[in-house]
Amino acid sequence: GNSVTQMEGPVTLSEEAFLTINCTYTATGYPSLFWYVQYPGEGLQLLLKATKADDKGSNKGFEATYRKETTSFHLEKGSVQVSDSAVYFCAPTPDTGRRALTFGSGTRLQVQP
Amino acid sequence: NAGVTQTPKFQVLKTGQSMTLQCAQDMNHEYMSWYRQDPGMGLRLIHYSVGAGITDQGEVPNGYNVSRSTTEDFPLRLLSAAPSQTSVYFCASSLFDRGESPLHFGNGTRLTVT
Repeated sequence: GNSVTQMEGPVTLSEEAFLTINCTYTATGYPSLFWYVQYPGEGLQLLLKATKADDKGSNKGFEATYRKETTSFHLEKGSVQVSDSAVYFCAPTPDTGRRALTFGSGTRLQVQP
Repeated sequence: NAGVTQTPKFQVLKTGQSMTLQCAQDMNHEYMSWYRQDPGMGLRLIHYSVGAGITDQGEVPNGYNVSRSTTEDFPLRLLSAAPSQTSVYFCASSLFDRGESPLHFGNGTRLTVT
């Protein structure tokens, strides 16, 4: 079956620190890979995506590279801000359809000034 | 530029009551779905639809019904509310039911069943 592993956190960092949130997955076929972010009181929103091996998704200073050989999609940011405090979800999505999409419980990031 | 709109934002029900959570999208998306989010359990798929007139069950469908009479609307019905249905509910849509098509989420409905 499909599954995703990411640390639950909370991950607590000081402003301007380097961020890594690890994501490894198992999935049938060749999934597209997404990171979603959830700010307090809101729904999830797309942060970035990659659809094939070695693709790098990027947005708002965040990056993640599709590593097919290690089935990983780690999220990185060089300098976090207080406004990045949120819950981050890694979501590998098989091309067979949404029914097989698996969300983990997310990683809570807290950035302190 | 409304995107996915969910109503109500908050709801309190007594055990045994029924209600409908509304979801509408204005992006002409083919795929629509309902998730529930519970602490420590991530998001779990309740029901989904790949087009008007087509619905199917997700991971946790018991106690919920859906219908898709139009492309835009996908209401979720709680038939007889139970405390175990206390949760935050999210409606999400995507252009296609294919892996590379990202999901667009509403802002959620926080439901409490007493």
